[in-house]
Amino acid sequence: SQQGEEDPQALSIQEGENATMNCSYKTSINNLQWYRQNSGRGLVHLILIRSNEREKHSGRLRVTLDTSKKSSSLLITASRAADTASYFCATDAWGGSEKLVFGKGTKLTVNP
Amino acid sequence: EAQVTQNPRYLITVTGKKLTVTCSQNMNHEYMSWYRQDPGLGLRQIYYSMNVEVTDKGDVPEGYKVSRKEKRNFPLILESPSPNQTSLYFCASSPSSGENTGELFFGEGSRLTVL
Repeated sequence: SQQGEEDPQALSIQEGENATMNCSYKTSINNLQWYRQNSGRGLVHLILIRSNEREKHSGRLRVTLDTSKKSSSLLITASRAADTASYFCATDAWGGSEKLVFGKGTKLTVNP
Repeated sequence: EAQVTQNPRYLITVTGKKLTVTCSQNMNHEYMSWYRQDPGLGLRQIYYSMNVEVTDKGDVPEGYKVSRKEKRNFPLILESPSPNQTSLYFCASSPSSGENTGELFFGEGSRLTVL
């Protein structure tokens, strides 16, 4: 069963704009991760945020986590055409990272 | 180069013909897992392994088998493939300790079509 749900399902923006994707989940977690997938390729890990952290940065990426609302957001600043991809959140519900559960993803298109 | 390697990358087969998708990682990771990705359903976990000789079912294990005889290899076996197993399959691995604990490293995927 799905644990994380990304919102929106699809997002189209212009190069240079910021892109914000959201993830909601249902049960308590130890950590939440974001992954990126270029069309038909393997997923690539972007960032991991632990349940005791509220915000984390990595380059142009900013992730927030609100455990009271069971939600996270991924912000990509100053987007580029090369950021076009699907973005997935993943949570380690049910006690451990052995059963990392992915959402259905947000498809981001950055137009040049 | 650190990587997870899957083979074959593409395969078309027929119902009932046993096949194996191999997965190998060169990062000495303890944890390995198989996922399938289907449109509208996202990624779903098939099986995972915490270490050699330790495997367990994920969310959609029916019709699949796995083995973990060596740390680096985690093959996915379809004993009698059926059309509903047509999918894009991903193998992933993760260290169980250290800086990258819990972060999955994915292979490039194996696109399987069962006719």
